[in-house]
Amino acid sequence: AQSVAQPEDQVNVAEGNPLTVKCTYSVSGNPYLFWYVQYPNRGLQFLLKYITGDNLVKGSYGFEAEFNKSQTSFHLKKPSALVSDSALYFCAVRPPDSGTYKYIFGTGTRLKVLA
Amino acid sequence: EPEVTQTPSHQVTQMGQEVILRCVPISNHLYFYWYRQILGQKVEFLVSFYNNEISEKSEIFDDQFSVERPDGSNFTLKIRSTKLEDSAMYFCASSFNGGEKLFFGSGTQLSVL
Repeated sequence: AQSVAQPEDQVNVAEGNPLTVKCTYSVSGNPYLFWYVQYPNRGLQFLLKYITGDNLVKGSYGFEAEFNKSQTSFHLKKPSALVSDSALYFCAVRPPDSGTYKYIFGTGTRLKVLA
Repeated sequence: EPEVTQTPSHQVTQMGQEVILRCVPISNHLYFYWYRQILGQKVEFLVSFYNNEISEKSEIFDDQFSVERPDGSNFTLKIRSTKLEDSAMYFCASSFNGGEKLFFGSGTQLSVL
């Protein structure tokens, strides 16, 4: 079955430190990979995507993500965390050319950046 | 930046009643979706819609659910007879290209009493 796993319910990091939010997937073929962020009482906002090309993709607000095909991972990273980065982060995959337009979301990781 | 708009922001209904959740996707988008999220947890796919028909639906999207794009701008989700377990935040989303990023609305919080 196709799935996305975010193994950490919550990640705590001190402001100014680097952060990593983990995501692994189980999807056949070469999926499209996404990260979304959700602030309280808001919809999900797109951060970045990987479709093809360079394994390191850069997105909004200084975030980047590294695609690792052998480990089927797509971890979200930021070199220096801000308190304002505190939010709920979702990894998502869209199986490619499979005739489905469904995006599969992970369970979310709550990031808490401590001042 | 263009936005997906959803109305109402909150909807309270009695069990067994019909509800219609409304969405206005971004005007040049071609793919439309409904997702739901229970208590700030996992975002669950309900249905995708393209070229005026459902392209895929999940097991959650049973006969009580239906979608419609009645006038080329609105995209609605109808629940015919609501259950307590339908209580959730319902998000509408759209994209220009099915493989591209989704634009989400800010959601409708549905509470079934």
